[in-house]
Amino acid sequence: DSGVTQTPKHLITATGQRVTLRCSPRSGDLSVYWYQQSLDQGLQFLIQYYNGEERAKGNILERFSAQQFPDLHSELNLSSLELGDSALYFCASNTGEMNTEAFFGQGTRLTVV
Amino acid sequence: ELKVEQNPLFLSMQEGKNYTIYCNYSTTSDRLYWYRQDPGKSLESLFVLLSNGAVKQEGRLMASLDTKARLSTLHITAAVHDLSATYFCAVDIIYQLIWGAGTKLIIKP
Repeated sequence: DSGVTQTPKHLITATGQRVTLRCSPRSGDLSVYWYQQSLDQGLQFLIQYYNGEERAKGNILERFSAQQFPDLHSELNLSSLELGDSALYFCASNTGEMNTEAFFGQGTRLTVV
Repeated sequence: ELKVEQNPLFLSMQEGKNYTIYCNYSTTSDRLYWYRQDPGKSLESLFVLLSNGAVKQEGRLMASLDTKARLSTLHITAAVHDLSATYFCAVDIIYQLIWGAGTKLIIKP
């Protein structure tokens, strides 16, 4: 158990809908990362937050947004869902300092039908 | 453009054999991580390499880092079936991790 908690574990929704994925980082970690993993795109970095502020942005679509709250949990919002958004979404956390690896949650498997 | 390239992307081998996975990257960094992922599961941190010449070993796996060559290797010694998984390298670039595509390793009994 990495200490990173993601909910829900599975999500099935229809095209055009909006969903929210939730992540609680490890105790003491200030930084949260969101990743998307699909069969054709591999592991794609979406966005990083550090202590409530956006720190880095990767290949995140405009239909997607995220935030980190004062209690350091984070939410990833996916809207106007398309079939191609079906993927595993991982959250990872670390202290945010350099030279520290990230610890991954179990992921949320999103299926858009 | 920052690139991290792993090869091979797929490897099928017999138990008891040795093999090496390579991770090349295109920019200066002296921090590299190796992760393991079982099918449908999360990513598990294996090694943290933080300087040129760093070498770390855990069981049948050994990782090394050559920052001058921008190359890391993950060596598998006397492979066993339980090591079947996908292995990723990730390069640390100013708080971001740039990921390789992963090497899917299948070890046949």
